[in-house]
Amino acid sequence: DSGVTQTPKHLITATGQRVTLRCSPRSGDLSVYWYQQSLDQGLQFLIQYYNGEERAKGNILERFSAQQFPDLHSELNLSSLELGDSALYFCASSVGTGYGYTFGSGTRLTVV
Amino acid sequence: AQTVTQSQPEMSVQEAETVTLSCTYDTSESDYYLFWYKQPPSRQMILVIRQEAYKQQNATENRFSVNFQKAAKSFSLKISDSQLGDAAMYFCAYRRAYNTDKLIFGTGTRLQVFP
Repeated sequence: DSGVTQTPKHLITATGQRVTLRCSPRSGDLSVYWYQQSLDQGLQFLIQYYNGEERAKGNILERFSAQQFPDLHSELNLSSLELGDSALYFCASSVGTGYGYTFGSGTRLTVV
Repeated sequence: AQTVTQSQPEMSVQEAETVTLSCTYDTSESDYYLFWYKQPPSRQMILVIRQEAYKQQNATENRFSVNFQKAAKSFSLKISDSQLGDAAMYFCAYRRAYNTDKLIFGTGTRLQVFP
């Protein structure tokens, strides 16, 4: 257990639907990062939150949004889903030092 | 913009042998961090080793070591005495030294280990 919890582990949904992915960061970590990994691809940065505020945005589609709550957990909302959104979505957290980030086990999203 | 390049999509090694995975990066920053992450079939992202750019000494973690060439912007990973459990995707990653900055990943190298 890395200390970063992602739910659900697997999600199958139809095109056009909306889903919410949840992430609880490691205790004490204020930063949460969301990444998307399509099949056999690298990890693409989507968005970062720090202590409740959006800190940085990457290649995140307008159909996607995220937020971080006062208890520091974060949610990634994906709407109007398309087949191409099928991917592994990772959440990572960091305390903000130069150390590598701790990743959750990911949510496997399949859009059918 | 910073970029990370892994030019070897696949590599293979015999068990107990040594293999080196390549990584180059592009940045105008002088202070940053570099990482190697391992992603086994379970898909979990596991930190293997990290290097601070201002340290000239190459990082080492047991059988894993790096060759950090700052001027050449090169950061290779050497795995010694390869084991079957080392088979995985390996990702090189970069982040600026700014607090909480994001990780930028390369496209990965798939390592196969043969008995």
